[in-house]
Amino acid sequence: DIQMTQSPSTLSASVGDRVTITCRASQTISRWLAWYRQKPGTAPKLLIYKVSSLQSEVPSRFSGTGSGTEFTLTISSLQPDDFATYYCQQYYAHPYTFGQGTKLEIK
Amino acid sequence: QVQLQESGPGLVKPSQTLSLTCTVSGYSISSGHYWAWIRQPPGKGLEWIGSIFHTGTTNYNPSLKSRVTISVDTSKNQFSLRLSSVTAADTAVHYCARFSSSGFYDSSGYYGSDFDYWGQGTLVTVSS
Repeated sequence: DIQMTQSPSTLSASVGDRVTITCRASQTISRWLAWYRQKPGTAPKLLIYKVSSLQSEVPSRFSGTGSGTEFTLTISSLQPDDFATYYCQQYYAHPYTFGQGTKLEIK
Repeated sequence: QVQLQESGPGLVKPSQTLSLTCTVSGYSISSGHYWAWIRQPPGKGLEWIGSIFHTGTTNYNPSLKSRVTISVDTSKNQFSLRLSSVTAADTAVHYCARFSSSGFYDSSGYYGSDFDYWGQGTLVTVSS
């Protein structure tokens, strides 16, 4: 299985901050990576697919970069709605696997 | 608007079979797309269980393959999950989801994609 490792596991920030979350794959996954945001008690929501493509109606403060084995999700100016847990997911090969999650907390 | 809704028992006894159904509205399963089950143990991360196409073609996570069956009923616009011989380790919120159309096929027929629509999730607890 392809292992996805996110860092950091927890991130403390304030409204208006710029933050970056990293996701590393145990082998190359080309550009087949997605990012999700999950608020407590709700289902994950797709933010970005194919590394950098913004899902419909997702604010432009979210952006993604990377290729191969290292990827990043950047939120340019944190909003109150963004304090949640973020997951990366690879879909280069079965089984599809997710990172362990990065919890973004209010400082 | 595509909507997915999970249904099924919230409590299952150890060694028994977990059964869930996902009802899709706003989109016909027969129109295409792969459909998936994903689970999340309390306080933990996400695990893909398996997927199905409207033709009945399935793919399962090898870690669960011996216990999982996913089926589709296009007449009811539903797909279902059965997980046998459950233990406490199978306690989780179970989500059904739709694969987006922005993925890719490789030469072997493998389809990889992200998940663009999700159900709200249903907690299944395994306990006697």
